[in-house]
Amino acid sequence: AQSVAQPEDQVNVAEGNPLTVKCTYSVSGNPYLFWYVQYPNRGLQFLLKYITGDNLVKGSYGFEAEFNKSQTSFHLKKPSALVSDSALYFCAVSAPNQGGKLIFGQGTELSVKP
Amino acid sequence: DTGVSQDPRHKITKRGQNVTFRCDPISEHNRLYWYRQTLGQGPEFLTYFQNEAQLEKSRLLSDRFSAERPKGSFSTLEIQRTEQGDSAMYLCASSLGVTSGSEEQFFGPGTRLTVL
Repeated sequence: AQSVAQPEDQVNVAEGNPLTVKCTYSVSGNPYLFWYVQYPNRGLQFLLKYITGDNLVKGSYGFEAEFNKSQTSFHLKKPSALVSDSALYFCAVSAPNQGGKLIFGQGTELSVKP
Repeated sequence: DTGVSQDPRHKITKRGQNVTFRCDPISEHNRLYWYRQTLGQGPEFLTYFQNEAQLEKSRLLSDRFSAERPKGSFSTLEIQRTEQGDSAMYLCASSLGVTSGSEEQFFGPGTRLTVL
């Protein structure tokens, strides 16, 4: 069965410092991996995805993520956090040829303090 | 606005009543998904459509739930005989639907259901 784990319920970072939000997954075959962000009272917004190729993918708002097949991880990173990055972040996985249905992690609340 | 829209945004109902939600996807998108999100959890897949065909239903979707997508455009999700456990945010998403599942999905703002 497919699953996604986000081991940290909350991540606290000072503005200007690098941030990492962790994600590990379990899926048969080669996965498609996604990060979404959810701001209060707004819908989920797509940040980035890994399909194939370069393990480091770049996305919106300066975020990037690194795919590590041996560790089955897809951690979200940003070199310098902004207060406006504070939000709820979800990692998701889909398996090929399953219609694109997403399996989400439980989410990580990112708090960036000035 | 050309994004995914959902109606209503909020619905309060009494236990045992029926409710229906509507989702309008991005116009050229062939795939439409329904998810449910409860507080402190990630969204859970309920069902999806490729054009007008409903291709998969989660075991979470009991027989009180039914979804349709007539003519492959908007979709409705109906819950019959609502229970307090149905209280959640119901999310709709759409994607182009031309690949095996590698496309990003675009989410609507959700319908928050409260069952009293």
